[in-house]
Amino acid sequence: QVQLVQSGSEMKRPGASVKVSCKTSGYTFTTHGITWLRQARGQGLEWMGWISAYNGHTNYAQQLQGRVTMTTDKSTTTAYMELRSLTSDDTAVYYCARGDTALGEWGQGTLVTVSS
Amino acid sequence: QSALTQPRSVSGSPGQSVTISCTGTGSDVGDFKYVSWYQQYPGKTPKLLILDVSKRPSEIPDRFSGSKSGNTASLTISGLQAEDEADYYCCSYAGSYTLVFGGGTKLTVL
Repeated sequence: QVQLVQSGSEMKRPGASVKVSCKTSGYTFTTHGITWLRQARGQGLEWMGWISAYNGHTNYAQQLQGRVTMTTDKSTTTAYMELRSLTSDDTAVYYCARGDTALGEWGQGTLVTVSS
Repeated sequence: QSALTQPRSVSGSPGQSVTISCTGTGSDVGDFKYVSWYQQYPGKTPKLLILDVSKRPSEIPDRFSGSKSGNTASLTISGLQAEDEADYYCCSYAGSYTLVFGGGTKLTVL
């Protein structure tokens, strides 16, 4: 079955960077894009961006441009999301999900806490 | 990209039907047949209920249905059950591999 397994919780200082991984299995990695989203506590879902697992093409949310980088490693069927210059506003659960127009399978979420 | 507009909360009694609206613009909901809906329980991962406006994944009961008219999409849950109490999010493709989400609707089963 399709599985997306994310890396564990992270605690970061303001100004630092975080890199979250999303290990996929159960399907041909290059046939589906990976979407990244986040959800602050008690808030809604925020689309962060998308990466093609086929050719690495990306599209990022305008409000994150310049701070976020999404990559994939076909050899390990893993997707990565790096967010830089963290502030307390970036404290959230970060999700990866398979797909581009509809997100059928999700990772379990990674809590990133930004605090001094 | 502005968020889609959903009611913050809706409620209904067991057995009734409820409809959650999702209003966007001609650049997202109105322009594409790629509206999806997600159900999320507190502390849990979102689950896909509806894709492509009205299609249901095989494991989703037919009590859940989706539709769209102009810039507004809707999710209807019929035969409401206690287990349907959750948060519901709509999502629309907005072109150039961009998605936009609604703010979420909390469904209370009375």
